[in-house]
Amino acid sequence: GAVVSQHPSRVICKSGTSVKIECRSLDFQATTMFWYRQFPKKSLMLMATSNEGSKATYEQGVEKDKFLINHASLTLSTLTVTSAHPEDSSFYICSADWDLASNEQFFGPGTRLTVL
Amino acid sequence: AQSVTQLDSHVSVSEGTPVLLRCNYSSSYSPSLFWYVQHPNKGLQLLLKYTSAATLVKGINGFEAEFKKSETSFHLTKPSAHMSDAAEYFCVVSESPYNNNDMRFGAGTRLTVKP
Repeated sequence: GAVVSQHPSRVICKSGTSVKIECRSLDFQATTMFWYRQFPKKSLMLMATSNEGSKATYEQGVEKDKFLINHASLTLSTLTVTSAHPEDSSFYICSADWDLASNEQFFGPGTRLTVL
Repeated sequence: AQSVTQLDSHVSVSEGTPVLLRCNYSSSYSPSLFWYVQHPNKGLQLLLKYTSAATLVKGINGFEAEFKKSETSFHLTKPSAHMSDAAEYFCVVSESPYNNNDMRFGAGTRLTVKP
């Protein structure tokens, strides 16, 4: 149980276009999902916390208008990278909060974004 | 706010020898601590977690970690390394449910296992 999927797993796009990444909890409902960004050979940096039915909470330094997050249901959160630029190229990973009491999150397999 | 420091960016061991990956944490509340492993171009897999129960935590694949509050440490160990253990390891701290349920990752330790 507690499986999180991401789609697509890999995407290449042209500079200036927008890309949407989906994060789904497949066998449980997640009131909270998290979006992380991982640079090559670097750790994960939390970008935002996505709460179902409300606005996402962004970490300091993360542009809200560039990284649009929508958490429309208890099993789906989306991250849209708007007007992508080469510096947005990265590995984006989502996680879902399964059990608040245990503080455990389950991570998706990640999406590798390459902006040309 | 919580934070975590992984003391070694890279650890190299020979197959069959012990593994020690070091982690120190900082937290204002009762923390939950985790170790995750990430193989190249793969997602994160939970190895083990500490959530205020037993201080010695056993995980998958023979790994274990000991929570030492006096030393604010949560080092990961394994008695005998296997080639398949070569990966990136992340120590993670999360504060109690009384705060935001988010995680802070260490910088990661790359484990290399030599034949």
